[in-house]
Parts: sequence; C-alpha cells; structure tokens
Amino acid sequence: RKEVEQDPGPFNVPEGATVAFNCTYSNSASQSFFWYRQDCRKEPKLLMSVYSSGNEDGRFTAQLNRASQYISLLIRDSKLSDSATYLCVVNNQAGTALIFGKGTTLSVSS
Amino acid sequence: DAGVIQSPRHEVTEMGQEVTLRCKPISGHDYLFWYRQTMMRGLELLIYFNNNVPIDDSGMPEDRFSAKMPNASFSTLKIQPSEPRDSAVYFCASSLTHSNQPQHFGDGTRLSIL
Repeated sequence: RKEVEQDPGPFNVPEGATVAFNCTYSNSASQSFFWYRQDCRKEPKLLMSVYSSGNEDGRFTAQLNRASQYISLLIRDSKLSDSATYLCVVNNQAGTALIFGKGTTLSVSS
Repeated sequence: DAGVIQSPRHEVTEMGQEVTLRCKPISGHDYLFWYRQTMMRGLELLIYFNNNVPIDDSGMPEDRFSAKMPNASFSTLKIQPSEPRDSAVYFCASSLTHSNQPQHFGDGTRLSIL
C-alpha cells in the first residue's frame, strides 16, 4: 500500500457544486495531516490542517477517520478559482517528515 | 515578510553539466527541505536539514546529487553530472519548529537537462 494515496481525478464540476476528495494513508501512527493546494506551474500552498475532530474553514471542511485511515476534503459552493490540484499530506512512519500524495485535480467550470 | 526564495527560476543546460540550485529559507525557520516534482512520481522529498545539519538524505537519488546548508539562511542542491532524467521542478521549503509542521514552499526551479 502506498504511503499516501489519492484519486488523481480530474474532477470536473460546475460552479456552485459540492465536491469531496478522499485520501488514504498507510501509517496508522501518523499524527499530522494537511491539505495543500497547488495551482498549475506554481508551488504547493497550505490550504488547511486536519484535526481529529474535523475542522472547517469557510467553504472547506476537512475530516479525519483514524479507524479507516483516510482524510477527506469537502468543498461547498465551488468557485472557478478553486480549480487546482489538491495534495493530501501525512507525516511519515518515523514521524520525521511529511509525505505528499500525488494530488487530485479539480476543474470548476462556469 | 519574505517567503522562501529560490534561484534560478528556470535552468536549461546540457547533460553532463553541473547544476546548482539555491534556496534561502524564511528567517527563523529551523527546518529546510528539498523536493523534486515530476508528473510520474509527484512530489518527492530529497533531503532535509534541521539547524543546518542534514537529517535524512535517503531520498537523494544517487551520488550525483549533493546538498549543503552552510548557514541558517542559505542552502544549495547540486547535480553533477546532470542527466536528462533529472529534469523536474525542484522545490525548497522551510518550516518553523518541527519537521511535521506545515511547510512553506519557494517558487521552485524548473530544470531541463537536454
């Protein structure tokens, strides 16, 4: 099993839609979880951390399911500007570094 | 505040040449990371430093790659000799206090080896 696995997509949705991405991770001892966003030909940028109880930031909601070892990102009321690649990030088995998934591509159209 | 600064932004060179990529982390950040990103393999960690000391270089692909951090505000990644398969985007990132904290990325160096 890969350390961090994501559906590459692309997810093509209209403006205003709700879309959800899932990510699975292999290390049951992982403690740090993040979602990053990467625009085309740009650097990854932190979107939000993921906390055990779940957390929300505006239209974005992140959830963690430790039992099933997956995290999710829900985007409500999608905007054109949400079009990007979303990277799931988990700390490694040794707990010393972050492992990035290959990303899920989202395309929001008008 | 200045973010992570990388140079050059783009590099095109012929195989066999030495390539040097540079990075200035955010001031006060104790951790510095070098990544390589390709379509096939995604974002891969090459090496990271804590307080200028290399901690884990297990991601460095082979001896042609080397990295240094002579002081808290500067790091280099060298490839010698370069090969076409080294073509990728190389990112430098830094984080504040722990390797598991969110990382701030530079703009990256887009490297093409002909």
